[in-house]
Amino acid sequence: DQQVKQNSPSLSVQEGRISILNCDYTNSMFDYFLWYKKYPAEGPTFLISISSIKDKNEDGRFTVFLNKSAKHLSLHIVPSQPGDSAVYFCAASRSTDTGTASKLTFGTGTRLQVTL
Amino acid sequence: DAGVIQSPRHEVTEMGQEVTLRCKPISGHDYLFWYRQTMMRGLELLIYFNNNVPIDDSGMPEDRFSAKMPNASFSTLKIQPSEPRDSAVYFCASSFRGYTEAFFGQGTRLTVV
Repeated sequence: DQQVKQNSPSLSVQEGRISILNCDYTNSMFDYFLWYKKYPAEGPTFLISISSIKDKNEDGRFTVFLNKSAKHLSLHIVPSQPGDSAVYFCAASRSTDTGTASKLTFGTGTRLQVTL
Repeated sequence: DAGVIQSPRHEVTEMGQEVTLRCKPISGHDYLFWYRQTMMRGLELLIYFNNNVPIDDSGMPEDRFSAKMPNASFSTLKIQPSEPRDSAVYFCASSFRGYTEAFFGQGTRLTVV
C-alpha cells in the first residue's frame, strides 16, 4: 500500500516557466513532509521541507504548499532552470513522542525535464 | 566530512551468491537507514538503526536480507542467497537525532543475474 503517491511519473517544462510537482498521501498521522532531488548516479539530496503546522514554506525558487484537508502537497519551482532536471521524490514522516521523526516514507518520484 | 560512503558502487553477482553492501555514515549521526530504489516502488525503507540498534526492520523483504551495525561508523546489508528480483539500487542514509534531513550515499547498484 503506497502511502505517499506521486501520480505523474514525468513532467516537461520550458526554461523560465513554473514547474509544479504534486504529491498525495493517505496516512493522516504524517506531520512532516519533504522533497528530495535526485540526479542520475547520485543519492537523493534534501531540497525543502514543511511541517504540518504550516501551509507554505519558501526557499528561493522553491516553494512547498501543504493542503492537510486534501492530504496533498506540491512543489513549485519558479523560474525553472535546466539544472533542475532531475527526479523529485516526495517524502513524509511521523514525529515520535519525543518530537523526532524517525523514518521517511517516499513516493515513487517524478522525473522533471526542463527544456530550453 | 566526506558524506555517507557506500561500497561497492556497482555489484554484479550470480543468483544464489551472497552479497554484502557496506555503509559508513556521517560522523556524529546516530540514525542510519537502508533504502532500496526500484522503478515500481520508488524508495523503500528496509531497516533503520538508532545508536547502532535496529529499531524497525519491517521493510526487510525476506529472511534472506539481514543488516548489522557493529559500531557507529559502519553498517552492512547482506543478501543471502541473492535472487534476480533483488536487483535494485540500495541507498544508505544517516541523520542526526532522527531529524528528517537524512543524508544519502551515492548508492550501490546491484544486479543479480
